[in-house]
Amino acid sequence: NAGVTQTPKFQVLKTGQSMTLQCAQDMNHEYMSWYRQDPGMGLRLIHYSVGAGITDQGEVPNGYNVSRSTTEDFPLRLLSAAPSQTSVYFCASELEQGFGELFFGEGSRLTVL
Amino acid sequence: DAKTTQPPSMDCAEGRAANLPCNHSTISGNEYVYWYRQIHSQGPQYIIHGLKNNETNEMASLIITEDRKSSTLILPHATLRDTAVYYCIVRGHGRKLSFGAGTTVTVRA
Repeated sequence: NAGVTQTPKFQVLKTGQSMTLQCAQDMNHEYMSWYRQDPGMGLRLIHYSVGAGITDQGEVPNGYNVSRSTTEDFPLRLLSAAPSQTSVYFCASELEQGFGELFFGEGSRLTVL
Repeated sequence: DAKTTQPPSMDCAEGRAANLPCNHSTISGNEYVYWYRQIHSQGPQYIIHGLKNNETNEMASLIITEDRKSSTLILPHATLRDTAVYYCIVRGHGRKLSFGAGTTVTVRA
């Protein structure tokens, strides 16, 4: 099993550009989520999804959009990148929300100039 | 979800047991205690979780006090590869996973 796969691993954007961070899992997990981690800090929840077609906001949703058209994929879209969005982004999945172990991807490091 | 309090850092000698404390005095009866760790900016890794009984797996042991207001994660024989940030998280069923600052554990040779 590949687990949780994130692409790209590294990305540099200019202010105002848009991009999508991809996240895919092959474990048939219903729950998926996106976190960001700024230097020296813990992870903060951006958006999450409890199943295909259902998404909701976390602690820091502003500037990000998500959709969940399939169980496997949960892309994170930055509509107009800002330097404050420079961070490491982690995608995670779980069989069902709050029922066990959350599996994390290896992260996508984003720099906005 | 209940808040947790962990020491910001601790050192441990290689080969010795590492005991990581966590306070969660406002924990509710249906909330679990989870431990994750993050090694050098990799994705966090699940370690163990429990409700009220002590738990053990191949990575660690989790000791929860009888009143459930605190717990201790025990790494029985710490190695240099156990150097990481360890997060103690209280979480109820169907709830989101929220991370605090964690404890930075440094294992020294």
